[in-house]
Amino acid sequence: GAVVSQHPSRVICKSGTSVKIECRSLDFQATTMFWYRQFPKQSLMLMATSNEGSKATYEQGVEKDKFLINHASLTLSTLTVTSAHPEDSSFYICSAEAFGTDTQYFGPGTRLTVL
Amino acid sequence: QQPVQSPQAVILREGEDAVINCSSSKALYSVHWYRQKHGEAPVFLMILLKGGEQKGHEKISASFNEKKQQSSLYLTASQLSYSGTYFCGSDAGGTSYGKLTFGQGTILTVHP
Repeated sequence: GAVVSQHPSRVICKSGTSVKIECRSLDFQATTMFWYRQFPKQSLMLMATSNEGSKATYEQGVEKDKFLINHASLTLSTLTVTSAHPEDSSFYICSAEAFGTDTQYFGPGTRLTVL
Repeated sequence: QQPVQSPQAVILREGEDAVINCSSSKALYSVHWYRQKHGEAPVFLMILLKGGEQKGHEKISASFNEKKQQSSLYLTASQLSYSGTYFCGSDAGGTSYGKLTFGQGTILTVHP
C-alpha cells in the first residue's frame, strides 16, 4: 500500500517551454501533497504544499507564477514549470500524505533537464 | 532551519551497527526518517511523534528526545541493502504541520 506515482520520470525540454509533472496517489486518498526539488548531492527542499480544492502555498523564494500547482482531486496533483530555463533543471519529487497518518510517501521523482 | 545530521558519512561491513543522529534548533512535532538510493525517491523508514508514538518498519529502530529536539536512527546488523543516503525530516507542527525540513543527509556505505 501507499504507492505514489509520478509522470514523466524524465523529461528534456528546450529553454522557454513549459513542462507538466503529474503526481498520483494510487491506493489512497491524499488530502495534502507536497512538491520538493533536489539538486545533485543535496537535500530535498520543499517548494510548495498542495491541498485538494484550494490554492497551493509556496515556500519563501519559490515563484508561484513559475511553478504552477493544481490539486484537482484527492489522488492527483500537477506541477507545471513554466518558461523553463537551464537553472530549473533538477530532480522534482512529490509526496502524498494519507489523511490522518502523519506520514508522507514519496513518488519516484521526475528528472527535468532544460537545454 | 535545516536540522543537522551526524555523521556525514559512515562506512560499515555487513553485520556492523550504526547510529545516525538528527538535531533541530526548533521544537518539533515529529521526526521522519527516509533512505534514498542514487537517482531514486526517498523511501519511508520511520516517523516519531511528539508524545512517544512511532510508526515504521519493524527492523528499524529510532529514538526521539523531545526536550533536546534530537532523534537517532539505529541500524543494527547492517546489510548491503542498507547502503544509501539517510535523511531526517523535521516537522515543527502547528501552522507548519506536514512541511518537512530535511537534514543534509548521511551517506551510509555497507561493504561485504
